[in-house]
Amino acid sequence: GQNIDQPTEMTATEGAIVQINCTYQTSGFNGLFWYQQHAGEAPTFLSYNVLDGLEEKGRFSSFLSRSKGYSYLLLKELQMKDSASYLCAPRGSNYQLIWGAGTKLIIKP
Amino acid sequence: DTGVSQDPRHKITKRGQNVTFRCDPISEHNRLYWYRQTLGQGPEFLTYFQNEAQLEKSRLLSDRFSAERPKGSFSTLEIQRTEQGDSAMYLCASSLLVAQETQYFGPGTRLLVL
Repeated sequence: GQNIDQPTEMTATEGAIVQINCTYQTSGFNGLFWYQQHAGEAPTFLSYNVLDGLEEKGRFSSFLSRSKGYSYLLLKELQMKDSASYLCAPRGSNYQLIWGAGTKLIIKP
Repeated sequence: DTGVSQDPRHKITKRGQNVTFRCDPISEHNRLYWYRQTLGQGPEFLTYFQNEAQLEKSRLLSDRFSAERPKGSFSTLEIQRTEQGDSAMYLCASSLLVAQETQYFGPGTRLLVL
């Protein structure tokens, strides 16, 4: 079957670093996306990994290990506006994205 | 603003009525997706188009739902005989069929069925 596992909720402090983990099982694999979704808004694209390793994009980095079915999103220098849900979405063999419920990140001052 | 637009942004309707939503994708994008999302859940795939062809439809999707993309540009999603369980955010996303194929989402249409 196909499955995504992320923590439901995380809390972090403004200015700190947080790592959001995602483990997945898919039928085939064709890349993994991370999206950010603020409450009441649509998801917005953050990052894409298709090969193993770390992709860095400003304050956000994403890591992938295909053999372990594991990815994480690393957010540095947290700001209050980073309070949002973060969705890990691997793409299976049919090239469709598989969506979990995401991780709600709460940033405290 | 991703360049994907949806109309209306909000819709309140009574149970049993029909509703239609429109999505205008980024102009050069040949793929268009419809999703439904309820509070605390991720997007649930409904259907997608490549140009004007509807290539896949969720097996969980009731036959009250129908979607079209007649000229390969904008798309409409119609829900007939709405039920309270149809209350959700309806999201449209578009993408360009290349290796990465990132989906870009519109702002969504929030439907409330009374």
